[in-house]
Amino acid sequence: NAGVTQTPKFQVLKTGQSMTLQCAQDMNHNSMYWYRQDPGMGLRLIYYSASEGTTDKGEVPNGYNVSRLNKREFSLRLESAAPSQTSVYFCASSEAPRGEQFFGPGTRLTVL
Amino acid sequence: DQQVKQNSPSLSVQEGRISILNCDYTNSMFDYFLWYKKYPAEGPTFLISISSIKDKNEDGRFTVFLNKSAKHLSLHIVPSQPGDSAVYFCAASDYSGYSTLTFGKGTMLLVSP
Repeated sequence: NAGVTQTPKFQVLKTGQSMTLQCAQDMNHNSMYWYRQDPGMGLRLIYYSASEGTTDKGEVPNGYNVSRLNKREFSLRLESAAPSQTSVYFCASSEAPRGEQFFGPGTRLTVL
Repeated sequence: DQQVKQNSPSLSVQEGRISILNCDYTNSMFDYFLWYKKYPAEGPTFLISISSIKDKNEDGRFTVFLNKSAKHLSLHIVPSQPGDSAVYFCAASDYSGYSTLTFGKGTMLLVSP
């Protein structure tokens, strides 16, 4: 039982490059989330998926797209990376629409 | 507009003493509150929660107090241990349709031996 897994753990991109962050959970949770954490800013919600087949914008969605591939997997795509997207990205999942969320270990992304 | 505020970026406490981490909120629709703990290079992990129908919830060394009239909650850790050194995030949710969590900016707790 791995919980929430994220790949890759680290990534360095050049401005304008694209990439997809992968997230998978094995807890049979309905809801999944993508957050970014920046120094002094806490955790800010980028996108979430309340259930398979649905996605919604969070607080800071600009520059990102998401795909809920199936119940287990939720990916985050940066189409044209910018230095402002340098951050640590966390994926999370939860059974209920609110309440305890389980987080992955994070992806540290640097955009040069 | 920050709806969940943790006004102390850091807190230092000696081992064995009480740690008190504070959190204020502005949205009166919030009715469920959680605390998460985060070590460096790891994801946050759930610590304890409280519903607005209660004013206290206890789990071992951790107790969360909720003062609805003041829109304030606090996390007490007694006794504090060096392994408690981490960043603590306060989070809140409301039940207006689908609800996500709103996080504070976190408080870094350092417990020294």
